[in-house]
Amino acid sequence: DVKVTQSSRYLVKRTGEKVFLECVQDMDHENMFWYRQDPGLGLRLIYFSYDVKMKEKGDIPEGYSVSREKKERFSLILESASTNQTSMYLCASRRQGSYEQYFGPGTRLTVT
Amino acid sequence: SQELEQSPQSLIVQEGKNLTINCTSSKTLYGLYWYKQKYGEGLIFLMMLQKGGEEKSHEKITAKLDEKKQQSSLHITASQPSHAGIYLCGADMGGTASKLTFGTGTRLQVTL
Repeated sequence: DVKVTQSSRYLVKRTGEKVFLECVQDMDHENMFWYRQDPGLGLRLIYFSYDVKMKEKGDIPEGYSVSREKKERFSLILESASTNQTSMYLCASRRQGSYEQYFGPGTRLTVT
Repeated sequence: SQELEQSPQSLIVQEGKNLTINCTSSKTLYGLYWYKQKYGEGLIFLMMLQKGGEEKSHEKITAKLDEKKQQSSLHITASQPSHAGIYLCGADMGGTASKLTFGTGTRLQVTL
């Protein structure tokens, strides 16, 4: 079974802190994605990565950056957390050329 | 405005009843995905539809894509408490299957 894990289920950070959200997949998938999920807005794509060291902006990249140094790991970085970044963050991975994205359990981030 | 509109936003049905969730786009969809999310968790892939008029079933859940490939419906027959959760449609709107656009979700509750 494909497994996508996220480093924390719940996280509370203060405004201005630098926040790292980690995602690891164990199926050698080329593509990885970071979404945020907010009530009434659904899932919105923040960044995605086609392969190691490759990244592309999604629909809402402002305030975020990403890092993909190894194939299995895709990190989302909030350089200076703000309260409007309080959200549920979901990571997903996908084998290049296939359709199905496999999702992690999510990290619920609260910025106070 | 959302590129993918889901309706209804929420639904409460009695156990054993049938229900339908709709997902509509103003654009032709290259692929339509249905996911289910348990409250506070990641997404689980249900089905993917690509061809106009296509219909797929898994257990008591049936998904259809209309001939114009702009609307999909998810039908649950004889609902059970295990069907409760949030149902999201996602669509490949660019033809590359590299990014998915998601609807806002339908929250389903099944009462005894």
